[in-house]
Amino acid sequence: EVQVVESGGGLVQPGGSLRLSCVTSGFIFNKYYMHWVRQPPGKGLEWVANIKYDGSETNYVEFVKGRFTVSRDDARNSVFLQMNSVRADDTAIYYCVRDMGGVIAPHGKAALDIWGQGTMVTVSS
Amino acid sequence: AIQVTQSPSSLSASVGDKVTITCRASQGIGDDLAWYRHKPGKAPELLVYAKSNLRSGVPSRFSGSGSGTDFTLTISSLQPEDFATYYCLHDYGYPLTFAGGTKVEI
Repeated sequence: EVQVVESGGGLVQPGGSLRLSCVTSGFIFNKYYMHWVRQPPGKGLEWVANIKYDGSETNYVEFVKGRFTVSRDDARNSVFLQMNSVRADDTAIYYCVRDMGGVIAPHGKAALDIWGQGTMVTVSS
Repeated sequence: AIQVTQSPSSLSASVGDKVTITCRASQGIGDDLAWYRHKPGKAPELLVYAKSNLRSGVPSRFSGSGSGTDFTLTISSLQPEDFATYYCLHDYGYPLTFAGGTKVEI
């Protein structure tokens, strides 16, 4: 079964750090872009960051640049989101998502096809 | 950054109704747009990608169309499981952006 499973969420104080993990299975991990998407409470979906299938390129939304870092470990079929200097408005469910695009299919078609169930991050003192 | 505006923000419909949701991009984005269905407490689901490609396993009542800056998701006959929030997402350069969503209610 193709799946992604997030972990690492929890309560963190403003200014603190948290590392989210996403373990994948059922597909050839190093052939796909991976993304992080979040949903703040009561709000819509927000794209946060992505990483290319070979790890050579990462991209971020403006409001996390310099604070969040996405990385991947092909040996563990995993992708990570290191969150530093967190703020109250980073409170959200964070989803790890596979992109249909990469080595096999064209990238850039907004085709985020495999979503995890999400992990909740709460930033509060 | 490219902005995407979705309308309506909410709508009321009945089972069997035809529903149309639109997204407008602030500039041309080719066919780099997808549609997602999101039910409360569940992960979002990809329905249509590259403007009009139906994802494998998605019912044929869903269809996507449009070009340039204006795109449409059509549900030909609304089913009980379709009462949810729908989002479009553009992938024409960074950052990717989701529109604000359309809540489809009974």
